[in-house]
Amino acid sequence: KAGVTQTPRYLIKTRGQQVTLSCSPISGHRSVSWYQQTPGQGLQFLFEYFSETQRNKGNFPGRFSGRQFSNSRSEMNVSTLELGDSALYLCASSPQYNEQFFGPGTRLTVL
Amino acid sequence: AQTVTQSQPEMSVQEAETVTLSCTYDTSESDYYLFWYKQPPSRQMILVIRQEAYKQQNATENRFSVNFQKAAKSFSLKISDSQLGDAAMYFCAYDMRFGAGTRLTVKP
Repeated sequence: KAGVTQTPRYLIKTRGQQVTLSCSPISGHRSVSWYQQTPGQGLQFLFEYFSETQRNKGNFPGRFSGRQFSNSRSEMNVSTLELGDSALYLCASSPQYNEQFFGPGTRLTVL
Repeated sequence: AQTVTQSQPEMSVQEAETVTLSCTYDTSESDYYLFWYKQPPSRQMILVIRQEAYKQQNATENRFSVNFQKAAKSFSLKISDSQLGDAAMYFCAYDMRFGAGTRLTVKP
């Protein structure tokens, strides 16, 4: 099976812009989670989608949103980018038991 | 709140030796899963081992094993016969919560 794929792998944006990141889970996985990883804050949970519904949500502002499509692919959107949003954004899909299979991540740089 | 704590920011081990990484967590649930993940410098996070809380037997995957103490809410990872390729960040996880990570260095 193909692994979790994320696009794009690298992204450079300026403050105030918005960005959309994409994640394709492993075939058959219905749960997709998003994480933000920074050197200072570590790995922080953003949200989880299961069967097109947001099932869990972390403690992030409303600028961070996501959605999941019927084929389980997921997108994450960040509006009004801030410098502090620079991070590695990881997507993970899960078959069961909360075991996560991670993608390679999208490195977002906000200038 | 469910939290995961890794108290060792960095650990070092000699090649072929054994090292133990610590993790504690907090939960009010009785049935759950715990995980250790490895993130090498290439950044691809991979699952190392999984423990089911209702199983008293500690999980083992080749050179990796856990010491699961449910009452103490402790979940440590033991790496035996350490190899250079074991050098990475190791994250303990409960549900969607991850610890801050432990950076493991393996000395030749």
